[in-house]
Amino acid sequence: NAGVTQTPKFQVLKTGQSMTLQCAQDMNHNSMYWYRQDPGMGLRLIYYSASEGTTDKGEVPNGYNVSRLNKREFSLRLESAAPSQTSVYFCATHGQAIYEQYFGPGTRLTVT
Amino acid sequence: GDSVTQMEGPVTLSEEAFLTINCTYTATGYPSLFWYVQYPGEGLQLLLKATKADDKGSNKGFEATYRKETTSFHLEKGSVQVSDSAVYFCALNPSGGSYIPTFGRGTSLIVHP
Repeated sequence: NAGVTQTPKFQVLKTGQSMTLQCAQDMNHNSMYWYRQDPGMGLRLIYYSASEGTTDKGEVPNGYNVSRLNKREFSLRLESAAPSQTSVYFCATHGQAIYEQYFGPGTRLTVT
Repeated sequence: GDSVTQMEGPVTLSEEAFLTINCTYTATGYPSLFWYVQYPGEGLQLLLKATKADDKGSNKGFEATYRKETTSFHLEKGSVQVSDSAVYFCALNPSGGSYIPTFGRGTSLIVHP
């Protein structure tokens, strides 16, 4: 039972390049989230998916797109990376009863 | 809107000292309250939770009590260890079935031997 997994763990991009961050969960949870974490800013919600087939913008969606591929997988795409997108990205799901969150190990992205 | 305010860090303590990290919140209704811990290089993991007023969450020697009258959920531990060094996040889930939690900015704890 792996919980929430993310790939890759580390990535370096040049400005303007694109990439997709992958997230998968084996907890059979409906909702999935993408956050970014920056020093002094805490966690900021980029996008979330309340259930398979739906996605909604969070606090900081600009420059990102998401796909909820199926119940297990939720990907985050950067179409044209910018240095301001240098951050640590976390995927999460939430439990069914009181909505506690379960986080993946993170992807550390640097855009030069 | 909802908000969570935690004390700024870093909090620096010697091993076996008493720990308090303050957390206050603003929300309507009766949110669920959480503390998460993030060890270096890892994702956040749930430390403890409380779902109604006067509930006490506890785990690994940490405790926090849901105080509706003061809208607080302070984290405490009687005797910290070096291995407790991490970043601690207070969070709430609003009542009413919303899917969007609100997190505090995190408090870094450094414990010296």
